[in-house]
Amino acid sequence: ETGVTQSPTHLIKTRGQQVTLRCSSQSGHNTVSWYQQALGQGPQFIFQYYREEENGRGNFPPRFSGLQFPNYSSELNVNALELDDSALYLCASSSKLAGGPFTQYFGPGTRLTVL
Amino acid sequence: RKEVEQDPGPFNVPEGATVAFNCTYSNSASQSFFWYRQDCRKEPKLLMSVYSSGNEDGRFTAQLNRASQYISLLIRDSKLSDSATYLCVVNGPGYSTLTFGKGTMLLVSP
Repeated sequence: ETGVTQSPTHLIKTRGQQVTLRCSSQSGHNTVSWYQQALGQGPQFIFQYYREEENGRGNFPPRFSGLQFPNYSSELNVNALELDDSALYLCASSSKLAGGPFTQYFGPGTRLTVL
Repeated sequence: RKEVEQDPGPFNVPEGATVAFNCTYSNSASQSFFWYRQDCRKEPKLLMSVYSSGNEDGRFTAQLNRASQYISLLIRDSKLSDSATYLCVVNGPGYSTLTFGKGTMLLVSP
């Protein structure tokens, strides 16, 4: 196992609601990336946090926001949920010291269903 | 053109077969390349990095052609446990972010 954990594992929300997903990175990893994976698609990059600062963002609207904490754990917040937000949300941690910045290790994901 | 394109699949092969997956990428500035494996409803797991000189890990061989912006993965002597979706991944946009292909599903049958 990678040591990356995510909570909750499953979540059901309705349109217009807000959701917060959580991720604990692997020990020693200071970079956390979030991805959205719709059914039948590859993961799509949402954003990345490095030492509590946003370090890159994909093509997602501002209602997708995040935080990273001093212990390098992270949150993904999504406001005004839409049906198309239904997906598997993956968190990946990496470190510039261990394995280089490009080797990312994924958590098990949170499966979000928006009704 | 999509940033990372893979064979659409699925690939159905018998045990013991050799199967090859192809991938092309559009960002010529990409420096790191990977194959990830994803089992049904699970997270992606790193299968192997891909180096310019080509590299092998047991039954798995990866090749990279930077000039053609092409990556391949060869699996020899397929096992039932190889059944999964194989994701081609390149770094970018940005220094330490990753772009994934859609994935190619492999089904190995007895």
